[in-house]
Amino acid sequence: KAGVTQTPRYLIKTRGQQVTLSCSPISGHRSVSWYQQTPGQGLQFLFEYFSETQRNKGNFPGRFSGRQFSNSRSEMNVSTLELGDSALYLCASSLISSFGTEAFFGQGTRLTVV
Amino acid sequence: DQQVKQNSPSLSVQEGRISILNCDYTNSMFDYFLWYKKYPAEGPTFLISISSIKDKNEDGRFTVFLNKSAKHLSLHIVPSQPGDSAVYFCAANGMEYGNKLVFGAGTILRVKS
Repeated sequence: KAGVTQTPRYLIKTRGQQVTLSCSPISGHRSVSWYQQTPGQGLQFLFEYFSETQRNKGNFPGRFSGRQFSNSRSEMNVSTLELGDSALYLCASSLISSFGTEAFFGQGTRLTVV
Repeated sequence: DQQVKQNSPSLSVQEGRISILNCDYTNSMFDYFLWYKKYPAEGPTFLISISSIKDKNEDGRFTVFLNKSAKHLSLHIVPSQPGDSAVYFCAANGMEYGNKLVFGAGTILRVKS
């Protein structure tokens, strides 16, 4: 059974540009969540999508957005990139959208903004 | 406002001994807790979880203890192995949070052989 796949693995972008990251969840999983990891900050929740609807949102500016497609694949977009957006972006998939559900993470996309 | 805190940035343990990783939380609405392990260049991997109706959960070498009154949980690894060297994240969840996990900053565990 394939795990969570994130593409690309690495990205270098210039300040002011925009970027789109992709996540394919485990087959059959309908919930996809996105997290940002920066050194010393742990993982910060960005948002969760379930059945193409945003279920939950973290405290990030509107430059961060996402969507989910009918096949449960999800994309995350960051517009007007800032240096502080450099981070590891992790996607997690879960079978359902419910408290107490185990989340399975992908390997992440390392974004560097220069 | 960090609702989940892992106050030890790093821990070094001798192979074969016990590793104890600690985690504190402030939000009394949390009632499900998880530990994840992360190797460099990989995503976090689920280790073990515990519901607030329990005070202990065991899975092989890994045991998680929960003290609700102190809002404290700990992960015990016995015996520790060099392959356990990784970053360990504590995460919390609650009914009003849906699938959202609130993570601590992580503890780097180094197991020396």
